[in-house]
Amino acid sequence: NAGVTQTPKFRILKIGQSMTLQCTQDMNHNYMYWYRQDPGMGLKLIYYSVGAGITDKGEVPNGYNVSRSTTEDFPLRLELAAPSQTSVYFCASSRDTGANVLTFGAGSRLTVL
Amino acid sequence: QKEVEQNSGPLSVPEGAIASLNCTYSDRGSQSFFWYRQYSGKSPELIMFIYSNGDKEDGRFTAQLNKASQYVSLLIRDSQPSDSATYLCAVKDGGFQKLVFGTGTRLLVSP
Repeated sequence: NAGVTQTPKFRILKIGQSMTLQCTQDMNHNYMYWYRQDPGMGLKLIYYSVGAGITDKGEVPNGYNVSRSTTEDFPLRLELAAPSQTSVYFCASSRDTGANVLTFGAGSRLTVL
Repeated sequence: QKEVEQNSGPLSVPEGAIASLNCTYSDRGSQSFFWYRQYSGKSPELIMFIYSNGDKEDGRFTAQLNKASQYVSLLIRDSQPSDSATYLCAVKDGGFQKLVFGTGTRLLVSP
């Protein structure tokens, strides 16, 4: 049982490049989330999904896109990378009981130069 | 903007002491409250959650909730150096299925 798996763990991008952060979970959780964490800060919600085919914006969605074609996968797309997107990105999932007990992936550290 | 406030610390306590971590929140409709621990360079992991006013104990950890004062705290008894981490308070938005996190309190437990 792998839990929540994120790839890549580290990535350096040039300004204007695009990339996709991958997230997959094997717990059959309906709810999935993408957070970013800047140094010394808490977690800010980028996008979330309550099930396959359903996504919604969080607090800081600008510059990002998501899709949820299956229960397992929730990729985060960065278009036209900017230095402000330098951060650590965490994917998380939870059961659909509303309890919001999140299981986090190991994180992806992104640097935009 | 719904907010969750925490003192960033660091909070320094000697080994064996009680560490008290505090959190206030702005949304009176919040129903559920969570404490996550995050070691440096790692992802957050759930320590405790609490829904009702009062205390909830789990081993060396006690979560306390006072909805009237919009205040939630985490007590760590017999603190150990391995407890040194950042503790994130999270509050479930009253209307939606998502959490709002505080910025975290860094705890340092010295041997």
